[in-house]
Amino acid sequence: QVHLVESGGGLVKPGGSLRLSCAASGFTFSDHYMSWIRQAPGKGLEWLSDITGSGTSISYAESVKGRFTMSRDNAKNSLHLQMNSLRVEDTAVYFCARASIAVSGMFDSWGQGTLVTVSS
Amino acid sequence: DIQMTQSPASLSVSVGDRVTITCQASQDISNYLNWFQQKPGKAPKLLIYDASTLETGVPSRFSGRGSGTDFTLTISSLQPEDIATYYCEQYDHLPWTFGQGTKLEIK
Repeated sequence: QVHLVESGGGLVKPGGSLRLSCAASGFTFSDHYMSWIRQAPGKGLEWLSDITGSGTSISYAESVKGRFTMSRDNAKNSLHLQMNSLRVEDTAVYFCARASIAVSGMFDSWGQGTLVTVSS
Repeated sequence: DIQMTQSPASLSVSVGDRVTITCQASQDISNYLNWFQQKPGKAPKLLIYDASTLETGVPSRFSGRGSGTDFTLTISSLQPEDIATYYCEQYDHLPWTFGQGTKLEIK
């Protein structure tokens, strides 16, 4: 059974940094694209970034490009999102999501999310 | 970026109703469209992929249709557990983009 558990959220001041993690289990982690998606309070879903199974190719949304860095450790079945230069508008629940083996963008399993609050 | 426009934004429904939600893409996305269901405080759940293929375990009262720019999600007979917000998402071109959501509320 696929299981994704995010951690690392919390309260941070504008301009600060935070590192999110996602622990994966129940599937062959290195086979799958993985993504980060966020949801601001009371708002819709926003895709942020994805990474190939090997970790060699990463894509970002313009809203986070240059500030956020996605990575994965296939030996530890873990996914990470390093978030720098955080802004108030980055406040959201951050989800990690598994995409299918062949198709990035088809999110078939999600974690429960971790809340990031950016406030002074 | 491809814009995804859902309608309506909200819908008052009764148990047993036939419910249809529409999603329009700003350009042709073939059939690269997903539908998700999200309940309050929970993660989204994939219902339908490739515009019309039901994800394993999803009840058959859910169905999806469409290709190109116009898509629909239909619930044939609404059940109480279907009260949620529904999102479409295109995965034809990066960045993957979602509709703004359709919230179902009990009448």
